Amino acid sequence: QITLKESGPTLVKPTQTLTLTCTFSGFSLSTSGVGVGWIRQPPGKALEWLALIYWNDDKRYSPSLKSRLTITKDTSKNQVVLTMTNMDPVDTATYYCAHQRAAAFPFDYWGQGTLVTVSS
Amino acid sequence: EIVMTQSPATLSVSPGERATLSCRASQSVSSNLAWYQQKPGQAPRLLIYGASTRATGIPARFSGSGSGTEFTLTISSLQSEDFAVYYCQQYNNWPPPYTFGQGTKLEIK
Repeated sequence: QITLKESGPTLVKPTQTLTLTCTFSGFSLSTSGVGVGWIRQPPGKALEWLALIYWNDDKRYSPSLKSRLTITKDTSKNQVVLTMTNMDPVDTATYYCAHQRAAAFPFDYWGQGTLVTVSS
Repeated sequence: EIVMTQSPATLSVSPGERATLSCRASQSVSSNLAWYQQKPGQAPRLLIYGASTRATGIPARFSGSGSGTEFTLTISSLQSEDFAVYYCQQYNNWPPPYTFGQGTKLEIK
């Protein structure tokens, strides 16, 4: 069965860089069409799509955050890493990673999420 | 970027009654529309994709309809476990972003 789990710091200071890791099982990111995405949700607010990486290393970013985001994958470790630079208190949110079985499909499996607080 | 607008923001319905949630896209997304359910402290759960196809394990009381820019999620007879926040998401345009709506909170009347 497919599972994903996010890991990383729970607290970062303003201007720091956030690095989050998504470790997954039950699928391979070398399988044609498969993608892993990141989505965040500030407390009490809506979901926001951040980034996606596909099996062929195609990478896509939210236009509003593109300059601050980098997504990479390590297929051998079954991991996807998201970095976000210049963190600000408004970036406080629960960050989720999720599985996409193909570009024309939604996110069908989600991690439990990890809450990241940005505060000095 | 495609903007997804959900209505109403909050919907109060009694258990056993029908709930109808709406989602509108700022431009056509064909049938590339998904619905998610999110309960407090939990990750979203995929309910519907392709506008009308139920995801694995989703009860038949959940149904989706629509295409183009107007979509509806209907819950035919509300159970206690259905009270949650519901989000729509389009995944039509390439390249992404695959934008979400702002959510509809379904609460007990």
